[in-house]
Amino acid sequence: QEVLVESGGGLAQPEKSLTLSCAASGFTFNTYVMHWVRQTADKGLEWVAVISFDSSNTHYADSVRGRFTISRDNSKNTLFLQMDGLRPDDTAVYFCARASRIAVAGVFYWNLDVWGKGTTVAVSS
Amino acid sequence: DIQMTQSPSSLSASIGDRVTITCRASQSINRYLNWFQQRPGKAPKLLIYAASTLEGGAPSRFSGSGFGTEFTLTINSLQPEDFATYYCQQSYTTPYTFGRGTNLEIK
Repeated sequence: QEVLVESGGGLAQPEKSLTLSCAASGFTFNTYVMHWVRQTADKGLEWVAVISFDSSNTHYADSVRGRFTISRDNSKNTLFLQMDGLRPDDTAVYFCARASRIAVAGVFYWNLDVWGKGTTVAVSS
Repeated sequence: DIQMTQSPSSLSASIGDRVTITCRASQSINRYLNWFQQRPGKAPKLLIYAASTLEGGAPSRFSGSGFGTEFTLTINSLQPEDFATYYCQQSYTTPYTFGRGTNLEIK
């Protein structure tokens, strides 16, 4: 069974740091692209960052670029999100998600097919 | 960034009804469109990818269509477990933007 479990959420003060982890099991972690997505009642679902299977490529949302760092340890089947310079509007439930690339009629499409249950981050003084 | 606009934002329907949710992209995204279902307190669950391909395990009463900028999710013969929030998401390019969601409620 393919499972993702996030941890590391909690309460942080503005400008402080927090690191989220996402432990993967039930699939070959080092062959999958992985994402972080966050959700608030105000903004809905917001894509945060993506990392390639071998960590050679990363991309970030404008709202977190320069403050957040996505990384992975394939030897430990774990994805990370280092969050520095936290702001109140970073308050959200953070999900990790697995990306799968599927061929349909000869064209490859990406989806997010396995999600963790999420971990809550609250940023407040 | 590609903007994804979903409509309606909320919808009331009865068991057995057929409902349609629309998602529009601010530029062409070919068929790089996914649909998710989310129940309260749970993670989003993939229903449809590549605009119209049903994810394994998703009930056949769910179907998707569209290409370019206009997409629809149709649910035939609504069941009690279908009352949830539905999101579209483009996977054409980063940032992978989501629609604001459609809350499907029981009438």
